[in-house]
Amino acid sequence: GAVVSQHPSWVICKSGTSVKIECRSLDFQATTMFWYRQFPKQSLMLMATSNEGSKATYEQGVEKDKFLINHASLTLSTLTVTSAHPEDSSFYICSARRDSPYNEQFFGPGTRLTVL
Amino acid sequence: GENVEQHPSTLSVQEGDSAVIKCTYSDSASNYFPWYKQELGKRPQLIIDIRSNVGEKKDQRIAVTLNKTAKHFSLHITETQPEDSAVYFCAASIGMGTARQLTFGSGTQLTVLP
Repeated sequence: GAVVSQHPSWVICKSGTSVKIECRSLDFQATTMFWYRQFPKQSLMLMATSNEGSKATYEQGVEKDKFLINHASLTLSTLTVTSAHPEDSSFYICSARRDSPYNEQFFGPGTRLTVL
Repeated sequence: GENVEQHPSTLSVQEGDSAVIKCTYSDSASNYFPWYKQELGKRPQLIIDIRSNVGEKKDQRIAVTLNKTAKHFSLHITETQPEDSAVYFCAASIGMGTARQLTFGSGTQLTVLP
C-alpha cells in the first residue's frame, strides 16, 4: 500500500509554455500533499503544501502565480508551471501524506522538467 | 522554523562494514523522524522511521536511534552491500494538524565499495 503516482515522468517544453504535473495517491486518501523541487545532488526543497479543498500554502520565495497548485480531491493534486523558463528546469517530486498521528509521507516518482 | 543538519555529506565504506549517518534538529516539538533512500533519478523511499516515544528501532540491517535530549538521531546500516549505495536523507516533522510537514537534511551520498 501507500503508492503515489506522478505524471508525466518527464517533459520537455519550449520557453513560455505551461506544464501541468499530476500527483495521485492510489490506495489511500491524502488530505495533504506536498510539492518539492530537487536540483542535481541537492536535497528536497519544499515548494508548497497542498490541502484538499483549500488554497495551497507556499514557501517563502516560491511564486504562487507561477506555480499553480490545485488539490481538487483527496487523491489528486496538480502543479502547473506557468510561462516556464529554462531556470525552471528541475526535478519536481510530489508526496502524499497519509492521515495518521504522525507524518508518514510517500513520494511520487518525480517529473523531470526541461525547458528549452 | 525547524532546521535539520545532516553529516557527513559523503561516506564511503567497504562492503560488509557499517555506516552511520547523523542528524540534528532544532525544534524540540518534532515528534517524527523518517529516513529516506534515494537512488539516482528515482523517488525517495522511506526505509525506516522513529517516533519520539522510542529511543531505538531496528529493521534487519538498518537501525535508527533517537536522543531527544540532545536533539539528534542517527541511521545505522550494518553489513553494507553495494546496493546500499544511494543518497540518504533524514527528516523531522514539525507542526500540528494539517500544517505538519517534513524538513529534510542535506543528504548523505553513501558509496559501498566492493
